[in-house]
Amino acid sequence: GAGVSQSPRYKVAKRGQDVALRCDPISGHVSLFWYQQALGQGPEFLTYFQNEAQLDKSGLPSDRFFAERPEGSVSTLKIQRTQQEDSAVYLCASSLALDLPTSPLHFGNGTRLTVT
Amino acid sequence: AQKVTQAQTEISVVEKEDVTLDCVYETRDTTYYLFWYKQPPSGELVFLIRRNSFDEQNEISGRYSWNFQKSTSSFNFTITASQVVDSAVYFCALSISRGSTLGRLYFGRGTQLTVWP
Repeated sequence: GAGVSQSPRYKVAKRGQDVALRCDPISGHVSLFWYQQALGQGPEFLTYFQNEAQLDKSGLPSDRFFAERPEGSVSTLKIQRTQQEDSAVYLCASSLALDLPTSPLHFGNGTRLTVT
Repeated sequence: AQKVTQAQTEISVVEKEDVTLDCVYETRDTTYYLFWYKQPPSGELVFLIRRNSFDEQNEISGRYSWNFQKSTSSFNFTITASQVVDSAVYFCALSISRGSTLGRLYFGRGTQLTVWP
């Protein structure tokens, strides 16, 4: 596709529900990042994939957060038993290069999650 | 630890005014990269510029210019003759060139720029 695509665009979940957020990176992009952006804040790193390998998940805030990229393209961020503090915009970004950070990240429009 | 500070939370200007967005960074690494991203209301982060720590030359791209000063750990962004379409949140970010996640960006809190007609 032309850019990074994320779905759904908006998600409302009741506290305690599980959610799954999808990211379609630009075709051929090796590197994929997930970021969390709380209202009025800058994006915060969650996790990083190089192809299908999750090389860094140090930013995941709790064990309720889980991400996967089984075939090295589409990625899913899953949040179990959602809490109100999980409300944020979740941004996905991809990059062609392995030799980061020389290649800039391309971001999607994000998924706005609201937990009620 | 890496840190980016954007002290200006909101700036309002009238069209055609010049405006400078401030960015101060902290890192102990000698090799690092600095970025500016624009986030319009649609939410997508749009890449504007990347500079590495060894290149302090200022850069100009149309109405945009960037002033990188290692002595003050600053990477400021100036928009000349601002336009309504420049209204957005602007983020400064830092990346270091070591560790398991090269390319991981450390963002500031952003500056909301509003340009009035």
